[in-house]
Amino acid sequence: DQQVKQNSPSLSVQEGRISILNCDYTNSMFDYFLWYKKYPAEGPTFLISISSIKDKNEDGRFTVFLNKSAKHLSLHIVPSQPGDSAVYFCAASADSGTYKYIFGTGTRLKVLA
Amino acid sequence: EPEVTQTPSHQVTQMGQEVILRCVPISNHLYFYWYRQILGQKVEFLVSFYNNEISEKSEIFDDQFSVERPDGSNFTLKIRSTKLEDSAMYFCASRASGSLTGYTFGSGTRLTVV
Repeated sequence: DQQVKQNSPSLSVQEGRISILNCDYTNSMFDYFLWYKKYPAEGPTFLISISSIKDKNEDGRFTVFLNKSAKHLSLHIVPSQPGDSAVYFCAASADSGTYKYIFGTGTRLKVLA
Repeated sequence: EPEVTQTPSHQVTQMGQEVILRCVPISNHLYFYWYRQILGQKVEFLVSFYNNEISEKSEIFDDQFSVERPDGSNFTLKIRSTKLEDSAMYFCASRASGSLTGYTFGSGTRLTVV
């Protein structure tokens, strides 16, 4: 039962252009969403989050959009840089008190110089 | 920047042996987690730990697994009798109370069961 889905396993983008990573979820109880970035041989690193009471959150080059009716969120990176090349995981949480996160399968982003 | 430290970085063990994976969470964090990632697959929740007890565990976390906070700094994951399918990256994570920035993950322990 895959509650959080990232349907694109990989994405290549030219440096300076926009990267758009997508994530879909099925559990309507999820109320908090996060994006993590992971380099090889490292643990996931928190990037940006959004609460279900918002539809957009921005932090520098990174913006997360949430469409609750479609159960869809996306991460926009503008402009993309070669250092952004990594695997990006979408994660979701229902307010269970333990803040257990359900992760998607990840999208490998490659930014071409 | 405070870090979550995991040791060892790579552990190779024979099937049926016991392994202990060690983690030192960030010192003022109160919630601790173990996740794992089988090669090429998603990061999966194993267990959460708060106030010296398990607060939630997944169906993966069966009787072969246990966690312990033996002192004020370490947080360990024990697998009693390893199976080939336990081979994965195991990530420890911790978070402060009320944190809106998610967890801080360690860099993981790669467990290889042969």
